[in-house]
Amino acid sequence: DAGVTQSPTHLIKTRGQQVTLRCSPKSGHDTVSWYQQALGQGPQFIFQYYEEEERQRGNFPDRFSGHQFPNYSSELNVNALLLGDSALYLCAWEVWGVTEAFFGQGTRLTVV
Amino acid sequence: GENVEQHPSTLSVQEGDSAVIKCTYSDSASNYFPWYKQELGKRPQLIIDIRSNVGEKKDQRIAVTLNKTAKHFSLHITETQPEDSAVYFCAASWGIKAAGNKLTFGGGTRVLVKP
Repeated sequence: DAGVTQSPTHLIKTRGQQVTLRCSPKSGHDTVSWYQQALGQGPQFIFQYYEEEERQRGNFPDRFSGHQFPNYSSELNVNALLLGDSALYLCAWEVWGVTEAFFGQGTRLTVV
Repeated sequence: GENVEQHPSTLSVQEGDSAVIKCTYSDSASNYFPWYKQELGKRPQLIIDIRSNVGEKKDQRIAVTLNKTAKHFSLHITETQPEDSAVYFCAASWGIKAAGNKLTFGGGTRVLVKP
C-alpha cells in the first residue's frame, strides 16, 4: 500500500554479522509491527511498537530487537545472524486500536 | 497462543469457476480475521476482513464467512479471473480497542486460475 516503504529491498549478510532494516510509516499510522516470512510460509509476528515502546512480542529470541522513532519510523535489528534468519522481513502499519494492517514491500535478507 | 490452519495448500480452478479457502483458529478470544493476497515477489495486500460480530461480508467477487462456534472462516472468490492467481493468507488476531494487532497467519493457499 502506498506510503509504506522499507529499505533496503535486498540484503546479503554473512553468518554472525548484524543487520538493521528500516521502515517508514504510512501517513497517519502510528503502530508498526515486524514480521518474518520464510520462503513458502505465512508471515510470523516478531514484535510491535507504539509510542516508541515495544507493546507485544512473538516467539523470537533477544537477537531480534527494534526501535520506533518520534516520527513513527522503525528499525529492526538482528544480531549474530544465522542461516535460518534468511527470509522476507515485512513491516506492517496500523492505527493503534483501529485494526487493518498494511504491509510494506519487505526486505529480502539472505544470510550466507 | 493462537494457531491458524489453512486448507488447501494449493488450488487450481478454471477461469470463471469459484474458489473456496478454509481456515480454522484455536483461540476463541480472536475477534478479527483479515485475508491477504500476495503475488510473487510482492507485499501481502489486505483484500477483505471480518470481525467476530459479523457472520458474512462481501466485496464484489470476494466474500468471507465466519463461524465463531466452530472457530472457522472461509474466503470465497466467484467468477475467478487469471489475475486472481496468487497466494492467499488468512490471519486471526485479538484486535481490540486500545491495542494493536498481533496477526497469526495460516500457511497460505496458492491459487492458480487457468484460462
